[in-house]
Amino acid sequence: KQEVTQIPAALSVPEGENLVLNCSFTDSAIYNLQWFRQDPGKGLTSLLLIQSSQREQTSGRLNASLDKSSGRSTLYIAASQPGDSATYLCAPWQAAGNKLTFGGGTRVLVKP
Amino acid sequence: EPEVTQTPSHQVTQMGQEVILRCVPISNHLYFYWYRQILGQKVEFLVSFYNNEISEKSEIFDDQFSVERPDGSNFTLKIRSTKLEDSAMYFCASNRDRVSYEQFFGPGTRLTVL
Repeated sequence: KQEVTQIPAALSVPEGENLVLNCSFTDSAIYNLQWFRQDPGKGLTSLLLIQSSQREQTSGRLNASLDKSSGRSTLYIAASQPGDSATYLCAPWQAAGNKLTFGGGTRVLVKP
Repeated sequence: EPEVTQTPSHQVTQMGQEVILRCVPISNHLYFYWYRQILGQKVEFLVSFYNNEISEKSEIFDDQFSVERPDGSNFTLKIRSTKLEDSAMYFCASNRDRVSYEQFFGPGTRLTVL
């Protein structure tokens, strides 16, 4: 059974600092991994999809890396802004089963 | 930009009542999903649906739950006899292809069972 862990659970940084969010998963047999953003009481916004054959995927200030063999992904957010304050979730799509398995998220607060 | 929509945004019901949560997936998507998130907990997979049948379901998705695609646009989740522990945010999602394309999520329906 896939287990997904996100560290740290919460992070508070001053505006302008770079953010590093970590995700680890126990079953490396995945097709891809998706990173999401969730604002309080809201839905999930897809940020990046990184395929199992890729090492990195970039979108604007966001960069996600994937090391499938070691069961790790990292989301980097450059030059953080107060608007980046949210919870960030990672979710690998595993080869066995037709579903995403979510981590508990990292709650980010960017202080002006 | 196309998006997944869900109605209602908030549903309050009495324990034992039936509820139907509705979703309109993105129009050219083929795979449909329901997830739920109990307050303060992880997002959990409930069920996936493709070609008018369930392709995968979790242990949470017992006989009290059912899904249906009654027409070409709607995708519904029915809970036959709600329990207090069914109180959660329910998210619908869809994608074009399971492997290559990201899943897009709707804004969710907050279900409160009293």
